Amino acid sequence: AQTVTQSQPEMSVQEAETVTLSCTYDTSESDYYLFWYKQPPSRQMILVIRQEAYKQQNATENRFSVNFQKAAKSFSLKISDSQLGDAAMYFCAYIPAYAGGTSYGKLTFGQGTILTVHP
Amino acid sequence: DAGVTQSPTHLIKTRGQQVTLRCSPISGHKSVSWYQQVLGQGPQFIFQYYEKEERGRGNFPDRFSARQFPNYSSELNVNALLLGDSALYLCASSLGATSTDTQYFGPGTRLTVL
Repeated sequence: AQTVTQSQPEMSVQEAETVTLSCTYDTSESDYYLFWYKQPPSRQMILVIRQEAYKQQNATENRFSVNFQKAAKSFSLKISDSQLGDAAMYFCAYIPAYAGGTSYGKLTFGQGTILTVHP
Repeated sequence: DAGVTQSPTHLIKTRGQQVTLRCSPISGHKSVSWYQQVLGQGPQFIFQYYEKEERGRGNFPDRFSARQFPNYSSELNVNALLLGDSALYLCASSLGATSTDTQYFGPGTRLTVL
């Protein structure tokens, strides 16, 4: 079974500084997708970034970038120039490229990392 | 364009009752997935529906059921509520049902079972 592990329950960063959130996953699949979602206190889960496993290039979205290490099954999120609005729970999620059986649409999430941004 | 919408926002029920939660996907999206998020944990997959058919099912008891309507909106039903069903229920919509179709989440329905 696929599992996603976020080993940092909480992280904090000063405004304008850089922070990295860690995520590891376990899968026997070779093709899959990885995501970082952000969930602020308002509860709405917002997509931050998406990585396709077959692409070697790390995905970037403005101040957000990932370090995807396929062999190590590691997928960390770097937030540059942190802003107060970045404060939220961050979830790493995984889905195999080819789901089978009853697993269609099944995103597997980690436990989340609470990010605090200090002014 | 409107995002995924869910109703109601909050709901309080007592043990043994039944509840229906509603979700409207992003316009043009044909797939809806449901997740349960217990406080302090990551969401757990319950169902995926595509074109009114169940395509995926997570490890939840038969008390949980869902359906999708011709306009692609969806309902999640939970019967015989238990205290442990208290959670945030998230709906996500996607263009299709494949893994390449990114899921976009709604604001959720907070269910409290007393």
